[in-house]
Amino acid sequence: GDSVTQMEGPVTLSEEAFLTINCTYTATGYPSLFWYVQYPGEGLQLLLKATKADDKGSNKGFEATYRKETTSFHLEKGSVQVSDSAVYFCALEQGGSEKLVFGKGTKLTVNP
Amino acid sequence: NAGVMQNPRHLVRRRGQEARLRCSPMKGHSHVYWYRQLPEEGLKFMVYLQKENIIDESGMPKERFSAEFPKEGPSILRIQQVVRGDSAAYFCASSPPSFNEKLFFGSGTQLSVL
Repeated sequence: GDSVTQMEGPVTLSEEAFLTINCTYTATGYPSLFWYVQYPGEGLQLLLKATKADDKGSNKGFEATYRKETTSFHLEKGSVQVSDSAVYFCALEQGGSEKLVFGKGTKLTVNP
Repeated sequence: NAGVMQNPRHLVRRRGQEARLRCSPMKGHSHVYWYRQLPEEGLKFMVYLQKENIIDESGMPKERFSAEFPKEGPSILRIQQVVRGDSAAYFCASSPPSFNEKLFFGSGTQLSVL
C-alpha cells in the first residue's frame, strides 16, 4: 500500500540555519503531497502542498518540490526561526480517496 | 470561527473501561475524519463520516471501536473494553462539503490506558 517515509528526528538547529527534512513516498498513480505542521499544544495545520509533478509548494518561507523521478517531497527553509519549532508531518493523498497517509513526523527544535 | 474542538485533551482509562472521544467540527463542515497516532508512528486513518453516515471505515479495528456523527451534536469515537494497546493520540479533522478542500485538525485526545 501507499506509504510515506520521513527523516528521523529530532532535529536541533540554531536560529538562521538552513533546514531540510527529507520525505519520500511509495504510491501508485499520482498522489497529492502535503506538509503539515503541529505547534506545541495545537492541532495539525496545513503548511504547503503540491498536486502534480514539478509543482513547488511554498508558505512562510518553507518550500517543497514534488519530484516524481525520485518520489520525494523534501521540506526546506533557508533561515529557521525559534518560532518554527514544531513537529512536521509529510503526507500523501490519492485522488478521490479522501484519506491522508502520514509519515511519522519530525520534531524540529530551533535554539536562539 | 472556532477551530475543530476535541475533548477531552487527556483521557485516562483502566483496562476494560469504555473511552468516548468527542469532536466538534468547524462551523459549516459536514465531513469528519478520525486518525490515530500510536507511539513512534505516523497518523493512521481510521474512519470518515458525513452527517449520520459512515463513508469509509477501512482503518477501524474490527472489534471494540465504533464512530458516529449524528445529525445534531459532535462526532463520537467510542472504544469499548480498552486495552493498553489503545493508548495513543486520537486526532479529528473536518472539511467542508466541497471535495479537495483542505482538512482542519483538532489538537487531539491523548488516551492513556492503565
